[in-house]
Amino acid sequence: DSGVTQTPKHLITATGQRVTLRCSPRSGDLSVYWYQQSLDQGLQFLIHYYNGEERAKGNILERFSAQQFPDLHSELNLSSLELGDSALYFCASSVAGPRGPYGYTFGSGTRLTVV
Amino acid sequence: GEDVEQSLFLSVREGDSSVINCTYTDSSSTYLYWYKQEPGAGLQLLTYIFSNMDMKQDQRLTVLLNKKDKHLSLRIADTQTGDSAIYFCAAPYNQGGKLIFGQGTELSVKP
Repeated sequence: DSGVTQTPKHLITATGQRVTLRCSPRSGDLSVYWYQQSLDQGLQFLIHYYNGEERAKGNILERFSAQQFPDLHSELNLSSLELGDSALYFCASSVAGPRGPYGYTFGSGTRLTVV
Repeated sequence: GEDVEQSLFLSVREGDSSVINCTYTDSSSTYLYWYKQEPGAGLQLLTYIFSNMDMKQDQRLTVLLNKKDKHLSLRIADTQTGDSAIYFCAAPYNQGGKLIFGQGTELSVKP
C-alpha cells in the first residue's frame, strides 16, 4: 500500500456520461497530481494542485476538471465522455513538488472504460 | 519544449545486465527519477539521482547521468524474471511544477 488511495478501481460507463474519480493523498502530502495513461499516449500529465490551489495544467481537456478540497483529497471530473477517454487515471502525491529525493507516490489507478 | 524520451522495448536473458536509456530536455531538472510499473499496478519509485551526481548505485541498480548530453541510464545487474515490467524515467519540468515521464521501456526477461 503506497498510502495514496484511489477510488473506484474500475469504472465502466457509456459515452456522453460524467464520472468522478477520487484520490486521497498520502498523509502529510500537500500536492496532488493527476495523470492519464493510455496505450497510444503514454503517461500524460493532466493537472497539479497544491494545498487546494491549482498550480500547473497539462494536456487536460476542457471536458475534464479537478479540484482539491480542504482535507486535501482531490477529485477529477470527466464529462461528455468519449471512447477515447478510456484509460488508466493515476493520482500521485508529494510533500511539495518533485524537488526532493522522493519524487511522487502513486496510487494504483482507476481504470475507466467508456463503451 | 518539455520532453523525455526512451526506447520502447528491451529483451534480455535472465542473469544478463539490462541497460535502459533516457534523454530529457529540461536542463534545470534537479532530481531525475526511475519508476517501475508492474502489470495492473501503479508506478513505484525505483531510484533517483541528484543532478550534480554522475552515478548512483543501489544494490543491483546503477544510475548514470550525463548532464551535458541530458542522458540518463538505468542498469540492472543480474536481471531476474521478476524484473520484467515497464520502466519510466521522469524529470521535473518548469521548476518543479510537474514531473514529465518518458513513454516507458518494457523490459522482458527470458529464462
